[in-house]
Amino acid sequence: EPEVTQTPSHQVTQMGQEVILRCVPISNHLYFYWYRQILGQKVEFLVSFYNNEISEKSEIFDDQFSVERPDGSNFTLKIRSTKLEDSAMYFCASSERVGVTEAFFGQGTRLTVV
Amino acid sequence: DQQVKQNSPSLSVQEGRISILNCDYTNSMFDYFLWYKKYPAEGPTFLISISSIKDKNEDGRFTVFLNKSAKHLSLHIVPSQPGDSAVYFCAARGSGGYQKVTFGTGTKLQVIP
Repeated sequence: EPEVTQTPSHQVTQMGQEVILRCVPISNHLYFYWYRQILGQKVEFLVSFYNNEISEKSEIFDDQFSVERPDGSNFTLKIRSTKLEDSAMYFCASSERVGVTEAFFGQGTRLTVV
Repeated sequence: DQQVKQNSPSLSVQEGRISILNCDYTNSMFDYFLWYKKYPAEGPTFLISISSIKDKNEDGRFTVFLNKSAKHLSLHIVPSQPGDSAVYFCAARGSGGYQKVTFGTGTKLQVIP
């Protein structure tokens, strides 16, 4: 069964450092997303990506964040200068086509900023 | 910003009985609602959805009911099984930006054998 895969499963980084979280969406999917879940809180939308550009983003997704699909299979989330409050579980998701809301999620990357 | 609210953080149900998980929303622009299930150390898994033009959608043991006038939806699981023990998230999509999904805080369901 096709699945969304994320690497690494856990990333520890020092405050102020740049991190790149990686995702391989399901191959025939066209929409890609990043969500995050701070411990004990709800899952929050960060950004959606379609046709090599951001289609929607939340207020959380500020200038410190960027996304890229560098090679047609990977989908990355970069945080330029991490802050303690960026510590969270980051989920990548993908969906098949326009208007399909049922997205498939990866297992997540736990980011710990120390 | 709590546009989607799940007021019960946890629920315990005996195996074989019905589980009812509730969700309230405040944004009348939501046009599509979803339920996701999440096990520890895994990402959310899509379970069932309902369009705002319907009031019920059924898929096997899972039924979602939507009451638009009350801005309330519920997920019924019957019969409940121990494998259903997980955190259940209610989520909603706005009619404007149709890719963004807003999640509730989740309800942890425990099905007791």
